[in-house]
Amino acid sequence: GAGVSQSPSNKVTEKGKDVELRCDPISGHTALYWYRQSLGQGLEFLIYFQGNSAPDKSGLPSDRFSAERTGGSVSTLTIQRTQQEDSAVYLCASSPTSDTQYFGPGTRLTVL
Amino acid sequence: GEDVEQSLFLSVREGDSSVINCTYTDSSSTYLYWYKQEPGAGLQLLTYIFSNMDMKQDQRLTVLLNKKDKHLSLRIADTQTGDSAIYFCAGGMNNNAGNMLTFGGGTRLMVKP
Repeated sequence: GAGVSQSPSNKVTEKGKDVELRCDPISGHTALYWYRQSLGQGLEFLIYFQGNSAPDKSGLPSDRFSAERTGGSVSTLTIQRTQQEDSAVYLCASSPTSDTQYFGPGTRLTVL
Repeated sequence: GEDVEQSLFLSVREGDSSVINCTYTDSSSTYLYWYKQEPGAGLQLLTYIFSNMDMKQDQRLTVLLNKKDKHLSLRIADTQTGDSAIYFCAGGMNNNAGNMLTFGGGTRLMVKP
């Protein structure tokens, strides 16, 4: 079946611009996670959505980062006023239960 | 918070067994996971073990958990060149706030023909 999809696969932007990254989870998965993978920091948790509950934003590195999940399905991660240190691969995962997470291919963000 | 440590690199010959090791600090992790990442790709869930188990076998993969030493290992039997990838171990808390994963830095496995 269809897995988690993310778009775009690659994004190059200029410092100071805003970017939006999209995640389409596996149908029926109630939980959705965003992670970031960068050379210096490895894989880090960013934000978690579960159903209609308020998201857990404890991993967001600054207030320039925000995310929303519309209708309990698609999620968008927005980074405002991008900085070079935001360059990373942004990974989305969805989960049908509390024990397994299935990851998308990621969006590689490059901030020039 | 949780710290998860892995060795950076492992090289084996095709047909040999590979053992990738991981240590973690937080004994309250409910689940421990192994993910595989091939170049340019996302993370593929290989297997996971519940914290009250000490071994899980799945085809060529064997996971061993030593809770006393907080040590997790992944053994790949009859390693193939297609197993070359980066392997990440991760711990998950699985509480009411979700199951946010804390990842190790990854072990790059190179399989030589």
